[in-house]
Amino acid sequence: TQLLEQSPQFLSIQEGENLTVYCNSSSVFSSLQWYRQEPGEGPVLLVTVVTGGEVKKLKRLTFQFGDARKDSSLHITAAQPGDTGLYLCAGAPRITSGTYKYIFGTGTRLKVLA
Amino acid sequence: DTEVTQTPKHLVMGMTNKKSLKCEQHMGHRAMYWYKQKAKKPPELMFVYSYEKLSINESVPSRFSPECPNSSLLNLHLHALQPEDSALYLCASSHVGQKTYEQYFGPGTRLTVT
Repeated sequence: TQLLEQSPQFLSIQEGENLTVYCNSSSVFSSLQWYRQEPGEGPVLLVTVVTGGEVKKLKRLTFQFGDARKDSSLHITAAQPGDTGLYLCAGAPRITSGTYKYIFGTGTRLKVLA
Repeated sequence: DTEVTQTPKHLVMGMTNKKSLKCEQHMGHRAMYWYKQKAKKPPELMFVYSYEKLSINESVPSRFSPECPNSSLLNLHLHALQPEDSALYLCASSHVGQKTYEQYFGPGTRLTVT
């Protein structure tokens, strides 16, 4: 079974602080996605990383894919209360031709205090 | 347009009721998914449809019956549910055969079984 372990599970920080969330696996993934989910809503896609070593930036969010494509990180600079939510990484190993089964990470619940 | 819509937003049903959840997307995606999500947990895959055919059934109880009438619509028929089936039900869609395998999620249906 391919697992995606996220750390930390919970994070409560003050507005303006920086933080990093990690997504690790012992398996290689062809791509990884990061989502943010607010309570009672569906996950919203933030970014996809595909190439080993790739770095993508989305405003104050920086995403990195590990060189071996087994891990990824999400760094938030100067966190704001609007960043509060559940952050999920997800990978898609190929299992059958044509359709792909997502493996979701264990999730990181972030709370940013004003 | 990256929107997946789901109706209803909230549903309360008794254990003897029959109800249906609906999902629609107009992104030209040929893979559609049903997920179940319990509080503070990542989504769990239930079913995958590829080109309107059931591709994956994750050993879901028969009281859940999926249907894909066409490439834009996905239904989940519910009958004789149990209280432990109360959860957020998420629909998602994606392209088939694309390297990045990005899934786009709807806002979900909050189901309560009484």
